[in-house]
Amino acid sequence: DQQVKQNSPSLSVQEGRISILNCDYTNSMFDYFLWYKKYPAEGPTFLISISSIKDKNEDGRFTVFLNKSAKHLSLHIVPSQPGDSAVYFCAAYSGGYQKVTFGTGTKLQVIP
Amino acid sequence: ETGVTQSPTHLIKTRGQQVTLRCSSQSGHNTVSWYQQALGQGPQFIFQYYREEENGRGNFPPRFSGLQFPNYSSELNVNALELDDSALYLCASSVDRNTEAFFGQGTRLTVV
Repeated sequence: DQQVKQNSPSLSVQEGRISILNCDYTNSMFDYFLWYKKYPAEGPTFLISISSIKDKNEDGRFTVFLNKSAKHLSLHIVPSQPGDSAVYFCAAYSGGYQKVTFGTGTKLQVIP
Repeated sequence: ETGVTQSPTHLIKTRGQQVTLRCSSQSGHNTVSWYQQALGQGPQFIFQYYREEENGRGNFPPRFSGLQFPNYSSELNVNALELDDSALYLCASSVDRNTEAFFGQGTRLTVV
């Protein structure tokens, strides 16, 4: 039962353009959502998060949007840079303890 | 301040053997979570330790067990290894149970 889904395994974007990574979830109990970035041979690195009481959170070039009615969130990267090329994981958890559920990841390639 | 470190980085074991993976949490962190990441999948939550006690467990059999020590470092033990246990094992530490986790680089386990 995949509670967090990333339906696009890969995405290619030109440098300077916008990258949009999408994520859907099925568990309505999730109240906190996170995005992680992972380079090869490294562990995932926390990027940005959003609480379920918000619909948008922005941090520099990264913005996460949450649509609770659609159980959908997205990560926007503007402008995209070659160093952003990595695998991006969407993750979620509900309160109580941090049993984070991850999606399968989207590999982003930013082309110079 | 050192980050999360895991040892060893790579390991090859034979089916039926036992393995112990180690994790040193980041300074000031009292919570450690373990994840299994199979090829092409997102990390799957195994269990979490908070102040030396198990604080939640994912859908893994009892042959996956763990410990957390007074210095908050942790071990993951897997008995009776199976071929499907081949994966990247990630350790993540956090300041508390419900705060963002910082991941180590992982241990790549291959079972032959």
